[in-house]
Amino acid sequence: EAGVAQSPRYKIIEKRQSVAFWCNPISGHATLYWYQQILGQGPKLLIQFQNNGVVDDSQLPKDRFSAERLKGVDSTLKIQPAKLEDSAVYLCASSQGGAAGHTIYFGEGSWLTVV
Amino acid sequence: GENVGLHLPTLSVQEGDNSIINCAYSNSASDYFIWYKQESGKGPQFIIDIRSNMDKRQGQRVTVLLNKTVKHLSLQIAATQPGDSAVYFCAEGRSGGYQKVTFGTGTKLQVIP
Repeated sequence: EAGVAQSPRYKIIEKRQSVAFWCNPISGHATLYWYQQILGQGPKLLIQFQNNGVVDDSQLPKDRFSAERLKGVDSTLKIQPAKLEDSAVYLCASSQGGAAGHTIYFGEGSWLTVV
Repeated sequence: GENVGLHLPTLSVQEGDNSIINCAYSNSASDYFIWYKQESGKGPQFIIDIRSNMDKRQGQRVTVLLNKTVKHLSLQIAATQPGDSAVYFCAEGRSGGYQKVTFGTGTKLQVIP
């Protein structure tokens, strides 16, 4: 079974520039998550989709971050304009959701450095 | 608000010994708890979970203990191996309208050969 795919793996941008990350979840998984993980910390949920609808974006800095999940499958996370404190690993994850399963499967992450 | 944290940031264990990683949580409404392992440069990987109506669950070389009275969770790794070296996160989850999972800070396990 293919895992969660993310790209790009690494990105270096200057502050105030924009960046976009792409995620392809495990086939059939209804729930998709974007987490931000700063070095030395646990993953922090940015946004959670159930199919193509947002169920939790309470910790998403909406003035600069946006995410979408078209057709309930792939998702993109965009940051514009980037700040130095956005340097982190952006983890995409998916789960079957609901009573079918709560185990979250993570991708390898997209490493962002803002200089 | 929700708070899931770990007692020790770094744990060093001799190869072959047992490891115990601890976690405290504050949300009594959590339905389940999960342990994840994160190796350097990789995403977190599911190890084992336990539902709130259980107090112990065993897997291959791992055991999770849940003490709801003191809101404490632990992960025991038997016969620790060098490949167990990683950061371990506990997470708490709630079912309901949608699954909500919150991660703690993490403990780094260093296995000494």
